[in-house]
Amino acid sequence: EADIYQTPRYLVIGTGKKITLECSQTMGHDKMYWYQQDPGMELHLIHYSYGVNSTEKGDLSSESTVSRIRTEHFPLTLESARPSHTSQYLCASMGLDTQYFGPGTRLTVL
Amino acid sequence: GNSVTQMEGPVTLSEEAFLTINCTYTATGYPSLFWYVQYPGEGLQLLLKATKADDKGSNKGFEATYRKETTSFHLEKGSVQVSDSAVYFCALSDRWGDMRFGAGTRLTVKP
Repeated sequence: EADIYQTPRYLVIGTGKKITLECSQTMGHDKMYWYQQDPGMELHLIHYSYGVNSTEKGDLSSESTVSRIRTEHFPLTLESARPSHTSQYLCASMGLDTQYFGPGTRLTVL
Repeated sequence: GNSVTQMEGPVTLSEEAFLTINCTYTATGYPSLFWYVQYPGEGLQLLLKATKADDKGSNKGFEATYRKETTSFHLEKGSVQVSDSAVYFCALSDRWGDMRFGAGTRLTVKP
């Protein structure tokens, strides 16, 4: 069983606010990922990291940024939230050949 | 590049019906293949996996067989329950650890 956590689970916030979505895992995995999931269900990779101090942009362009200062922690930040950022955000880490997902953060920007 | 194509939904079945969700892949080499399930309001959970040709992954009554000759990994269950209602994702992982997901198939099971 994988241990990967995301907070908050739900967030409703006004336009222009700065937000940070937290993601932590206790498995010591080097590889971590952020996905944005649209209402049509498809997953879009927005950021990934292969280890401490490594961050890369994914397939879908995003205005968010990420950092990886510690192996277990991979936060995602939006400097100025907009209604177009409303979505489900899923964090994952990878052990061997399998990705393990957190429960997700449902973000609504008014 | 690597990719996964899965059956479009939504799929609606009556309880105890037989389920098949088709999945085909394109990849170089020998990827590992996965099915994930997502229940409402939750993240993706690993349902089953297979790492080489002819392997069968199984869990909770679901099965899928890695068919290299047809590049397929179809998900099956003999008798679905209402609690199986969810979104199902087919995925592959190549030898560098990059994963590709299908677009997801929503299953609704009616009593």
